[in-house]
Amino acid sequence: NAGVTQTPKFRVLKTGQSMTLLCAQDMNHEYMYWYRQDPGMGLRLIHYSVGEGTTAKGEVPDGYNVSRLKKQNFLLGLESAAPSQTSVYFCASRSGNEQFFGPGTRLTVL
Amino acid sequence: SQQGEEDPQALSIQEGENATMNCSYKTSINNLQWYRQNSGRGLVHLILIRSNEREKHSGRLRVTLDTSKKSSSLLITASRAADTASYFCATDSSASKIIFGSGTRLSIRP
Repeated sequence: NAGVTQTPKFRVLKTGQSMTLLCAQDMNHEYMYWYRQDPGMGLRLIHYSVGEGTTAKGEVPDGYNVSRLKKQNFLLGLESAAPSQTSVYFCASRSGNEQFFGPGTRLTVL
Repeated sequence: SQQGEEDPQALSIQEGENATMNCSYKTSINNLQWYRQNSGRGLVHLILIRSNEREKHSGRLRVTLDTSKKSSSLLITASRAADTASYFCATDSSASKIIFGSGTRLSIRP
């Protein structure tokens, strides 16, 4: 099993550009999450999904959209990137009480 | 704001010593978890303690939970160089959301 994978690993955007981050899991987990981690800080929940076709807002949802069209994929979109969205983005899926994390996507917005 | 706050923010100890990290949270929880993050990596689940438990052990890890004080501690005994990482507590006050604290950066000196 590959576990949780994220693409891309790195990306540099200009202010106003859009992009989509892809998270995929092959563990048949219902719950999936998107977090952002800023330097020296913990993870802040952006959006999450409790199953295919459902999404919900987390702590810091503004400026992001998500979709869960397929159970194994959870997409995070930035419609108009801003420098404040420079961060490392982590995706996770959940089985029971344990979360399994992807390796992260480092995004820089200039 | 984040649910959990770890203390201290950074800790440096000699190899072989014990390391203790604390976590305080704000609202009632179902359970509390501890995760480790090595530099540049995603988080890895270490241990979970349920709200009706007071202490739990796993190898060199010991976790305590005091729900009356809304606090938890993580003790790593006989520390090793490989324990150098950031440690985060995470709580789930609802069935679907897991919220992370800001983390403790642990450095083990050889």
